[in-house]
Amino acid sequence: GNSVTQMEGPVTLSEEAFLTINCTYTATGYPSLFWYVQYPGEGLQLLLKATKADDKGSNKGFEATYRKETTSFHLEKGSVQVSDSAVYFCALSDPPGNQFYFGTGTSLTVIP
Amino acid sequence: GAVVSQHPSRVICKSGTSVKIECRSLDFQATTMFWYRQFPKQSLMLMATSNEGSKATYEQGVEKDKFLINHASLTLSTLTVTSAHPEDSSFYICSAGSGQHGGELFFGEGSRLTVL
Repeated sequence: GNSVTQMEGPVTLSEEAFLTINCTYTATGYPSLFWYVQYPGEGLQLLLKATKADDKGSNKGFEATYRKETTSFHLEKGSVQVSDSAVYFCALSDPPGNQFYFGTGTSLTVIP
Repeated sequence: GAVVSQHPSRVICKSGTSVKIECRSLDFQATTMFWYRQFPKQSLMLMATSNEGSKATYEQGVEKDKFLINHASLTLSTLTVTSAHPEDSSFYICSAGSGQHGGELFFGEGSRLTVL
């Protein structure tokens, strides 16, 4: 079946620190992979996505590479800011456009 | 990207009343919409898949008579929480895919329901 396993949180980092949030997946087909971000009290917003192997999604300094060989889609940012404090969800869609499968979410708090 | 709008963003109601939440796709047609429930500090729980012109498909454990879903048009799905009780208090989020954005799902802003 399809599932997403995401790094447990919460994560607390100092401003300008390096961020990695691990995400691995299982899928029966060839999924599209996503990272969504949820700011306090809001819905989810797409952060970045990748639709095929070796694709790198990037946005707002965040990056994630679709690794088919390791079934991973780890989220990274070189220098986090206080405004990056949010909950991050890894997700897959298999087949693309079909039902989504979400990870449990990782809460990130960045302190000045 | 496509836009999904959800209304109301916050609602407070008395126990025993019914509450309707609307989810609209503003600039695309959505034959399928998804309703999620999110508990504090927890992930999204898929409640049901709303299909335009047909009955919704509910996930196991979700009471279909409690959470009525209607997908009357290609741009509107509604979730009605019937005879709400305090344990129904939660954050409800809808989403839809346009089929034209690499399978991306677009989310509404969410609706915070508080049942007194």
